[in-house]
Amino acid sequence: EDQVTQSPEALRLQEGESSSLNCSYTVSGLRGLFWYRQDPGKGPEFLFTLYSAGEEKEKERLKATLTKKESFLHITAPKPEDSATYLCAVQVLGSNYQLIWGAGTKLIIKP
Amino acid sequence: DAGVIQSPRHEVTEMGQEVTLRCKPISGHNSLFWYRQTMMRGLELLIYFNNNVPIDDSGMPEDRFSAKMPNASFSTLKIQPSEPRDSAVYFCASSLEGNEQFFGPGTRLTVL
Repeated sequence: EDQVTQSPEALRLQEGESSSLNCSYTVSGLRGLFWYRQDPGKGPEFLFTLYSAGEEKEKERLKATLTKKESFLHITAPKPEDSATYLCAVQVLGSNYQLIWGAGTKLIIKP
Repeated sequence: DAGVIQSPRHEVTEMGQEVTLRCKPISGHNSLFWYRQTMMRGLELLIYFNNNVPIDDSGMPEDRFSAKMPNASFSTLKIQPSEPRDSAVYFCASSLEGNEQFFGPGTRLTVL
């Protein structure tokens, strides 16, 4: 069964304290892996798409990486405005473009 | 671009009433998705359209739920009759082919 698991469920960091969020997946064939950010009361906001192992994407303090089994979202020197829930989703080959979603990691950055 | 537009943003109704949620996808996108999000179950895909045709509605909870996409710029999700357990945030998302999905702001539905 295709599955996506995110860890930890929640993460509290001090401002400036770098860390990583994990998204592990078990799928029959990967078409793409997507990272989203969701703020309270808003829809998920697209961050990155990764397609193949070894690929990396960066945006401001965020860097996403991909291996054959998992993806990491690295957050460098985070600020309070980086506080949000980060969602990972996987698109399986031949799945009609549907996404399998992880439960998310709630990130809190304390000033 | 205005992004995905959803209406209403909030809906409070009584059990048994009909509820209609509306979505305007991003111009040029040919895939449209309806999701439901709750604390307990996270994001659940309800139905997916490609080129205005429903492709997979296996996530629709039961016959009380129906969705239509009469043209490329408009879709509706209808619940009739509504029940308290339908209370959730409903999102519409659109994409171009199988690329990244862009979400609307959501409709927060409360059924009393």
